[in-house]
Amino acid sequence: DAGVIQSPRHEVTEMGQEVTLRCKPISGHDYLFWYRQTMMRGLELLIYFNNNVPIDDSGMPEDRFSAKMPNASFSTLKIQPSEPRDSAVYFCASSSDNKYEQYFGPGTRLTVT
Amino acid sequence: GENVEQHPSTLSVQEGDSAVIKCTYSDSASNYFPWYKQELGKRPQLIIDIRSNVGEKKDQRIAVTLNKTAKHFSLHITETQPEDSAVYFCAARKYNNNDMRFGAGTRLTVKP
Repeated sequence: DAGVIQSPRHEVTEMGQEVTLRCKPISGHDYLFWYRQTMMRGLELLIYFNNNVPIDDSGMPEDRFSAKMPNASFSTLKIQPSEPRDSAVYFCASSSDNKYEQYFGPGTRLTVT
Repeated sequence: GENVEQHPSTLSVQEGDSAVIKCTYSDSASNYFPWYKQELGKRPQLIIDIRSNVGEKKDQRIAVTLNKTAKHFSLHITETQPEDSAVYFCAARKYNNNDMRFGAGTRLTVKP
């Protein structure tokens, strides 16, 4: 298994632009999580899905952030418009219903200038 | 909601010594406590976890202890090696809730 796949690995964009981050969970996993990691705030859960349905989005910082999971093998996290304070590493993770372990993807390092 | 505190924020030990990282949690309903290791520029990776029905778990040089009454759990690394140098995160979650809360992390440096 290839593990959780994220793209792009690095993204540099200008303030005001739309950013889309992508994630492919491990096949067979029915939970998908989006996290943001910064030095100041550590690892924060933004949103998670179960069977493609958003369950808890209380961690999404603002309306500029949105996430979708159109099918079991793909999810996107979109920021529109982006701001410099959105600069962070964004991780996607997945897990299966009968196990607690979450497996993280390699992350997307986002820089907004 | 759950609040997880982790100490110390940085820890430096000599190769071969032991390292201990401690975490406390606030929600008594939490029952799953994983530890993740994150090397520089890499993803967090699960190294050991413990559930509330167990007080201690060991895997080679790594052990985790849990005190449910006091709501704290600890990671113990014995015979540390330079490759143990990384940031370690503790976390806590409840059985019926996938909202896992992470501690702020501990940067462990093992000096050769």
